[in-house]
Amino acid sequence: DGGITQSPKYLFRKEGQNVTLSCEQNLNHDAMYWYRQDPGQGLRLIYYSQIVNDFQKGDIAEGYSVSREKKESFPLTVTSAQKNPTAFYLCASSVGHPPRDQHFGDGTRLSIL
Amino acid sequence: GQQVMQIPQYQHVQEGEDFTTYCNSSTTLSNIQWYKQRPGGHPVFLIQLVKSGEVKKQKRLTFQFGEAKKNSSLHITATQTTDVGTYFCAGKSNYGQNFVFGPGTRLSVLP
Repeated sequence: DGGITQSPKYLFRKEGQNVTLSCEQNLNHDAMYWYRQDPGQGLRLIYYSQIVNDFQKGDIAEGYSVSREKKESFPLTVTSAQKNPTAFYLCASSVGHPPRDQHFGDGTRLSIL
Repeated sequence: GQQVMQIPQYQHVQEGEDFTTYCNSSTTLSNIQWYKQRPGGHPVFLIQLVKSGEVKKQKRLTFQFGEAKKNSSLHITATQTTDVGTYFCAGKSNYGQNFVFGPGTRLSVLP
């Protein structure tokens, strides 16, 4: 079955540590997205990529970095510069950008130790 | 920048009652999309509206896109417990590249 796989499901970060969240899709979608969801709030766009080797900042890119070396993969690194990283992170993909309809992964819940 | 608001933030209804959530954008949208997120789950795409004044129906759900393409609504007739979740609207402004989600309306349905 085609879909989006995010790993890990839960992740804990120590102060000053970088962590990388994985997102893989086998839907052959060109566009991929990273969102952050905080309790009681909507999804905020961190980064998106319309095509391999290209990515654009979203509304809250500070403290995050991404890469898009392969069509199937769009990992997100939460750097130590992100002072409030505790949140639910969702990866999504779409045939193109702007997204016609996005397919979401199950998310990664990141917490600070 | 573009802002998308939704009201109400929370809605509790008795099973069988109707429910409506409203979405308002600070800028004109090229389209509006609606997603549903069940508790503990991820958002699932429901529908996209593109044309001014467009109305679409999916069984008990009715979606509208305003004439000015700055607002939208989702109406559920005769709610069921399976309708429980958070409903998000999302869209792209005519003036930017980013795709923005509203904060969502959380629906609880009491049996």
